[in-house]
Amino acid sequence: DTAVSQTPKYLVTQMGNDKSIKCEQNLGHDTMYWYKQDSKKFLKIMFSYNNKELIINETVPNRFSPKSPDKAHLNLHINSLELGDSAVYFCASSQDSGTRLQYFGPGTRLLVL
Amino acid sequence: AQSVAQPEDQVNVAEGNPLTVKCTYSVSGNPYLFWYVQYPNRGLQFLLKYITGDNLVKGSYGFEAEFNKSQTSFHLKKPSALVSDSALYFCAVSPGRRALTFGSGTRLQVQP
Repeated sequence: DTAVSQTPKYLVTQMGNDKSIKCEQNLGHDTMYWYKQDSKKFLKIMFSYNNKELIINETVPNRFSPKSPDKAHLNLHINSLELGDSAVYFCASSQDSGTRLQYFGPGTRLLVL
Repeated sequence: AQSVAQPEDQVNVAEGNPLTVKCTYSVSGNPYLFWYVQYPNRGLQFLLKYITGDNLVKGSYGFEAEFNKSQTSFHLKKPSALVSDSALYFCAVSPGRRALTFGSGTRLQVQP
């Protein structure tokens, strides 16, 4: 019954590899987000999709490409992984209108070696 | 551009004492303000929010926050701290756009 789920929970990979992180929400929300939390715990928005359309695209390397096959899913694909990509990536969702309360997934801990 | 400041990296308080975690914000227009808590190796959990109305907002686990427009602050408070409140607390603002802008986080340590 998890509201926002992410897979995998942990991801350890080598530099240069390509990897994907998946996110699904069963709340019926219209908007989904990817946030990055670095080693100092700073949280920063990366992308946001509303009804499968990209609405926020922060200054993120184009090695990162979000994909939203439907409004319940927002996946994050990362090409040519670098050491600095090591972080915790959080997916979140919210209803399009109203209080903008966001529900977060448990996070994916990415370690690039 | 919007911003959120949490001036304290860490707050230490004894169990049973009141706690305050500070947050100030800068945003054009009316702010939507939030507090989230993060326990070790966990995602963020919503605590409370201010949208409009009463400046004193009550949230989960006995926490409350006071919106002060003149001081652009939204400090998190609890009358009596518990050891289990020890965690990382984030203040966030959502102004015109939907995404949240987070503060840098404050680690709350409650000593028994």
